[in-house]
Formats: sequence, structure tokens, C-alpha cells
Amino acid sequence: GAGVSQSPSNKVTEKGKDVELRCDPISGHTALYWYRQSLGQGLEFLIYFQGNSAPDKSGLPSDRFSAERTGGSVSTLTIQRTQQEDSAVYLCASSLQGVLSGGEQFFGPGTRLTVL
Amino acid sequence: GEDVEQSLFLSVREGDSSVINCTYTDSSSTYLYWYKQEPGAGLQLLTYIFSNMDMKQDQRLTVLLNKKDKHLSLRIADTQTGDSAIYFCAEDTGRRALTFGSGTRLQVQP
Repeated sequence: GAGVSQSPSNKVTEKGKDVELRCDPISGHTALYWYRQSLGQGLEFLIYFQGNSAPDKSGLPSDRFSAERTGGSVSTLTIQRTQQEDSAVYLCASSLQGVLSGGEQFFGPGTRLTVL
Repeated sequence: GEDVEQSLFLSVREGDSSVINCTYTDSSSTYLYWYKQEPGAGLQLLTYIFSNMDMKQDQRLTVLLNKKDKHLSLRIADTQTGDSAIYFCAEDTGRRALTFGSGTRLQVQP
């Protein structure tokens, strides 16, 4: 595709429900990142996939959060038993190479998650 | 991000220069970036600087890097209303994904 796409663009859910957020990176990009942007806050790193290496999950805030990347392309971020503090915009980015390459990260438009 | 700090807000008049400042704490940062986020949109890379440089100029944008003080700045010359956005600095230390600051909201008054 022309850019990074994310779906859905908006998601409203009830506390306690599970949600899945999807990211389609730019074709050929080996690195994929998930960030969270809470209202008025900067970007909080969640997880980083680079090629076939084990993902860097050090940013995931709790064990309710998990992510996978199938076939080195599409990624799904899953939040189980959502809480109100999970409400945020979840941003996905991809880059041709990983960190320390000087390569630009291309961001998707984000998924706005609201937990009632 | 707790490792990268920015002031939250800057207001300038159209035509003036804007200077957005950022301090970081990791001296091993190799690349430093400036991203722009317009309302309702994702982040867009504006420019980046490699750590062995102290200045980079790209049209209306000038990036200054002071490694000794771990200080990064973005100067926008002849600021326009279309420059109104949130500007994020970010560092790449190679250990993980980028570490972003909390963003500076630039408001350009006509």
C-alpha cells in the first residue's frame, strides 16, 4: 500500500472486553512498531518487531497487552480485559530497516480506543 | 517520554521564527529526530540529525545539536499558520524503538 494503514480508526468498547487493533505496514518494511499516545502525552513505546528476531516487548504496560506479527507483515495488538486507562490513540509505524539505521519511521493514522 | 523533555507550548506570530527546544539524557543517542503531528493525523518525519553533526539546514528548518549539553533545537524560519501542530523530538539509541518527548504544541497567530 501507499502508507501504513490501521483499523479500525475508532473503537469504543466496554470495560472488561477484549479488543484487537490491526496494522498493515508498508510492503517490504522489516521493522514495525506500536506506540500509545494518551491525551496530552507523548508517545509511549509498546513493542517493536524487526524481521524474524524476537520482538522487543519491553514497553508493554501489563500482561493484558500482547502483539503478534504474522508472516513478517500485518500486526495485531490485542488488549484483554480493557480498562479505562487503556483509552488512548494507538499508533503503528514501520521502517525499511530497524533502529540505528537513520531510517524514517512511517506512521499510520492511529486507532482511537475509548473504554467506557 | 521520561528521557526526552520538551516545553509543552509555544505561541508565535506569523512570519516570526519559532524555536522548539528539546533535552535528552542518553549520550549514546546516534540519531535525533523531529516529527510533526497535525490534528487528527499520524506523525510525519520533518528532519533528523546524526550525532556527529552540530547543525543541519533544510529549507526553512534548522536543527542545532549540542551534544555536550544534550540539547536539540528546531528553528522554523518565517513561521506560517500551516506550521501549527505538535512537534516531537525523538532519540534513537539503537536499544529499542525511538524514545519520544511529550511534544511541543506550536500555535501560529495570524
